[in-house]
Amino acid sequence: SQTIHQWPATLVQPVGSPLSLECTVEGTSNPNLYWYRQAAGRGLQLLFYSVGIGQISSEVPQNLSASRPQDRQFILSSKKLLLSDSGFYLCAWSATMRDTRDSYEQYFGPGTRLTVT
Amino acid sequence: GIQVEQSPPDLILQEGANSTLRCNFSDSVNNLQWFHQNPWGQLINLFYIPSGTKQNGRLSATTVATERYSLLYISSSQTTDSGVYFCAVEKSGRGSTLGRLYFGRGTQLTVWP
Repeated sequence: SQTIHQWPATLVQPVGSPLSLECTVEGTSNPNLYWYRQAAGRGLQLLFYSVGIGQISSEVPQNLSASRPQDRQFILSSKKLLLSDSGFYLCAWSATMRDTRDSYEQYFGPGTRLTVT
Repeated sequence: GIQVEQSPPDLILQEGANSTLRCNFSDSVNNLQWFHQNPWGQLINLFYIPSGTKQNGRLSATTVATERYSLLYISSSQTTDSGVYFCAVEKSGRGSTLGRLYFGRGTQLTVWP
């Protein structure tokens, strides 16, 4: 069966410090990968998605970036954190979609709770 | 994008009661999922239901895609059902981002013993 891991689970970082959050998926190959952020007040917002190694698309302009160095690894980074980067970061995966008519269920990792002080 | 509206925003029940949560969306969708977010933040998949009706134990869901809404039914609620319930949809058609889910703001459910 497939599993998705995220670490760290919680993180407290000062403003201006760098960030690296990691997400890995097991039990599947060539998944689509996603980074979401959940700010206070519940709503989840898509930040980045990837359909393959080195292929990253950004949905929201910000000081964050994402990379996919391996098939099942997705990394969220920042060179300098802002207070507004605080939130709950969730990674998700879905099976590869062949074309725009297909759609597959998304599964979420346990999340990383980031507090920028 | 696509608008996703969930109602009610908050719901308080006594154990054993039944409830219905609603999700309205503003455009055609390829995918609709219901999630339960537990107190630790984990999003748990409840249903993948772009159309039709599904049941899983005390939970069931119905999506009427032509009328752009979905309903989540919880019967005989238990304290462990407490948490936030999210509806999320993937927009269909040209110009949509493959796999992008648009989330509603959720329904906060509290079940008292």
